[in-house]
Amino acid sequence: DVKVTQSSRYLVKRTGEKVFLECVQDMDHENMFWYRQDPGLGLRLIYFSYDVKMKEKGDIPEGYSVSREKKERFSLILESASTNQTSMYLCASSSFGQGAKEQYFGPGTRLTVT
Amino acid sequence: AQSVTQPDIHITVSEGASLELRCNYSYGATPYLFWYVQSPGQGLQLLLKYFSGDTLVQGIKGFEAEFKRSQSSFNLRKPSVHWSDAAEYFCAVGTGGGNKLTFGTGTQLKVEL
Repeated sequence: DVKVTQSSRYLVKRTGEKVFLECVQDMDHENMFWYRQDPGLGLRLIYFSYDVKMKEKGDIPEGYSVSREKKERFSLILESASTNQTSMYLCASSSFGQGAKEQYFGPGTRLTVT
Repeated sequence: AQSVTQPDIHITVSEGASLELRCNYSYGATPYLFWYVQSPGQGLQLLLKYFSGDTLVQGIKGFEAEFKRSQSSFNLRKPSVHWSDAAEYFCAVGTGGGNKLTFGTGTQLKVEL
């Protein structure tokens, strides 16, 4: 069974704090993703990584950065958290290549910035 | 640019009734299409996917979807809904050779007993 785990289910941070969200997958997948989920907006891609140390901006990268030092781990960083980053964050992974690649999702981290 | 539209934000059905959730996509090439389900407090789980071949696709939990190229649609159906089907449903189109997904805004399904 593919497993994608996220370091926290719930997180409360203060405005201006640096926040790290960690994601680990155990299926040796090349691709990893960070999404943000907000009511009425669906899932929006923040960043995508297709290999170690490789990253690509998604649709809403502003205010975020990512790190992928090992194949199984993909971190999302909020350099200076703001209240408009209060959201549900979902990590996903998939294999790389042509075709309909299923993405496997973690349970999500609900981040509240006060 | 690719996009996915799910025109129904909320749908309520009675248990045992049939269900159809609508999805329209915009994509220049042959699309890879997906339906995911998200139960409360959970991540997303794949229900089914389409990339070629038979346009009627069977998935898990008794769901099916039909790809209609002429209508740019990929509607999800279930003949008889169970109370446990209450969840949020997302349609997605695969881009970047299938490596990235663009999601719709979701349809929240409520099941009345």
